[in-house]
Amino acid sequence: DGGITQSPKYLFRKEGQNVTLSCEQNLNHDAMYWYRQDPGQGLRLIYYSQIVNDFQKGDIAEGYSVSREKKESFPLTVTSAQKNPTAFYLCASRTGGISSGNTIYFGEGSWLTVV
Amino acid sequence: SQKIEQNSEALNIQEGKTATLTCNYTNYSPAYLQWYRQDPGRGPVFLLLIRENEKEKRKERLKVTFDTTLKQSLFHITASQPADSATYLCALDMLGNTDKLIFGTGTRLQVFP
Repeated sequence: DGGITQSPKYLFRKEGQNVTLSCEQNLNHDAMYWYRQDPGQGLRLIYYSQIVNDFQKGDIAEGYSVSREKKESFPLTVTSAQKNPTAFYLCASRTGGISSGNTIYFGEGSWLTVV
Repeated sequence: SQKIEQNSEALNIQEGKTATLTCNYTNYSPAYLQWYRQDPGRGPVFLLLIRENEKEKRKERLKVTFDTTLKQSLFHITASQPADSATYLCALDMLGNTDKLIFGTGTRLQVFP
């Protein structure tokens, strides 16, 4: 089935560690996104990518890094510089050009907890 | 500053009634506005899209309106059911050289029997 796969579903990070969240899509979508959601809050954009080997910062990029080496993959690394990383992370993708109005498809999310 | 505001408090309604959720924005010029449903611990799912030159859009029991003068969208669920209980998010799709989709904070809807 086509869709977006995020892994792991649950992840625990120790202080000072970097962790990487995986996001893979087989929808042949050009654009991919990472959002962060805190309890009872909306979605905040971390990074997005419109094409392979290119990505832009969102509203809260500090402490995060991404890569887009393949069209279907957009991993997110939460670095030790991110001081409050405990949150629900959502990866998404969509096709079409800029302001195309195409809908965005989300993965099932990854819960990251700092211990 | 740029803001997207949705009712922060939960909306509680009785089954069979019409639920109306609001999305207000300032200092944005969206080409499209989208509505999504999110269940606890899950990713949001697309419901409806409305263009800036459209006033109203319908899909089964759902209706969306878009007033670019008031900078407001209303989302209606008619004949609401307990299964409609979820958080509903509005999202602005921007004009210009960007591919960003900006989400509101969401409104939690609870439909009780």
